[in-house]
Amino acid sequence: GDSVTQMEGPVTLSEEAFLTINCTYTATGYPSLFWYVQYPGEGLQLLLKATKADDKGSNKGFEATYRKETTSFHLEKGSVQVSDSAVYFCALSRIQGAQKLVFGQGTRLTINP
Amino acid sequence: DAGITQSPRHKVTETGTPVTLRCHQTENHRYMYWYRQDPGHGLRLIHYSYGVKDTDKGEVSDGYSVSRSKTEDFLLTLESATSSQTSVYFCAISEKGDLSVTQYFGPGTRLTVL
Repeated sequence: GDSVTQMEGPVTLSEEAFLTINCTYTATGYPSLFWYVQYPGEGLQLLLKATKADDKGSNKGFEATYRKETTSFHLEKGSVQVSDSAVYFCALSRIQGAQKLVFGQGTRLTINP
Repeated sequence: DAGITQSPRHKVTETGTPVTLRCHQTENHRYMYWYRQDPGHGLRLIHYSYGVKDTDKGEVSDGYSVSRSKTEDFLLTLESATSSQTSVYFCAISEKGDLSVTQYFGPGTRLTVL
């Protein structure tokens, strides 16, 4: 079945460091790929998405490129801020008709000043 | 912010008791979803609805039932709560069922089953 694997956390970085959170997926066909972010005490919110191979999603300085050849959708940011501290979830959806998201286990990111 | 509320926000109950969680939306979106969030598992889909009285099972539906009698409300019921159902429950909504559509999440309900 479909699955998403994220790099193990937690990840701790200093402010202005470069961030990469790895995400790989297993799915047949052509899923859509997402990164959701969860700030402390809140629900999830969409960070970015990509719907086909080689698409790049971007938002708030974060980027991720849909790589079908490596089945990956790694999240990157060039210079993180303390306010980026959150849990990040990679997810996919494949089945048309109802968007049944399949999530990775989440990666907790902490940015120190 | 999408108009999604969940009630209650926190609940402690005992094993064997029935529990109902409510999700209410003001966006008139067709699709509604219930997820549970557990450490090491991310979020997993329990049930979803694609219209009034139209529901279907997700990945982890055993022990749960749902109902949707109005567009704005989606209820999740644990008929007889067990300790394994201790979790944080999130409701989500989407306007369409397309692969690329954005889902909007509620604030969550933390349920503890003793």
